[in-house]
Amino acid sequence: KQEVTQIPAALSVPEGENLVLNCSFTDSAIYNLQWFRQDPGKGLTSLLLIQSSQREQTSGRLNASLDKSSGRSTLYIAASQPGDSATYLCAVRSNSGYALNFGKGTSLLVTP
Amino acid sequence: KAGVTQTPRYLIKTRGQQVTLSCSPISGHRSVSWYQQTPGQGLQFLFEYFSETQRNKGNFPGRFSGRQFSNSRSEMNVSTLELGDSALYLCASSLSGRAYTDTQYFGPGTRLTVL
Repeated sequence: KQEVTQIPAALSVPEGENLVLNCSFTDSAIYNLQWFRQDPGKGLTSLLLIQSSQREQTSGRLNASLDKSSGRSTLYIAASQPGDSATYLCAVRSNSGYALNFGKGTSLLVTP
Repeated sequence: KAGVTQTPRYLIKTRGQQVTLSCSPISGHRSVSWYQQTPGQGLQFLFEYFSETQRNKGNFPGRFSGRQFSNSRSEMNVSTLELGDSALYLCASSLSGRAYTDTQYFGPGTRLTVL
């Protein structure tokens, strides 16, 4: 069974800092990996999707990397802003079943 | 293009009742998945529908069921509600649910409270 872990569970940084969120998974036989953002009481917003054959994806100030062999992905946020404050979720789609397996998320607070 | 819509947004029920939640996927999307989100368990997969057929199912009791219509809209039903069913229920849609590039798009969720 695929287990997804996100570290740290919570993070508080001053505005302008660059930061890294970590995601690890136990089964390297994955289809793809998605990073989502969730604002309090809201649904999930897709940020980036990395196919199993890719090493990284970039969108604006966000960069996600994938190392399948070690079961790790990182989400890099450059020049953080207060509007980046949210919970960031990592989800892995495995080759078996195809359902998304989610980590518990990292709660990010960017202070002005 | 309109996003994934879910109705109702909030629901309060009592133990023993049943409830039906509705999800309209993004136009052209044929795969619809349902997830339950609770503070303790996080996000857990309920089931996936594609072309009116349940293609995948999570580890939930039979009280949780769903269906998909020919226009890809989906409903999920929970019978004999328990207090532990209180959660945010999220629907997600994607084109096929099987392509490596298939992004899942989520709706705003239905907040179910069981009293």
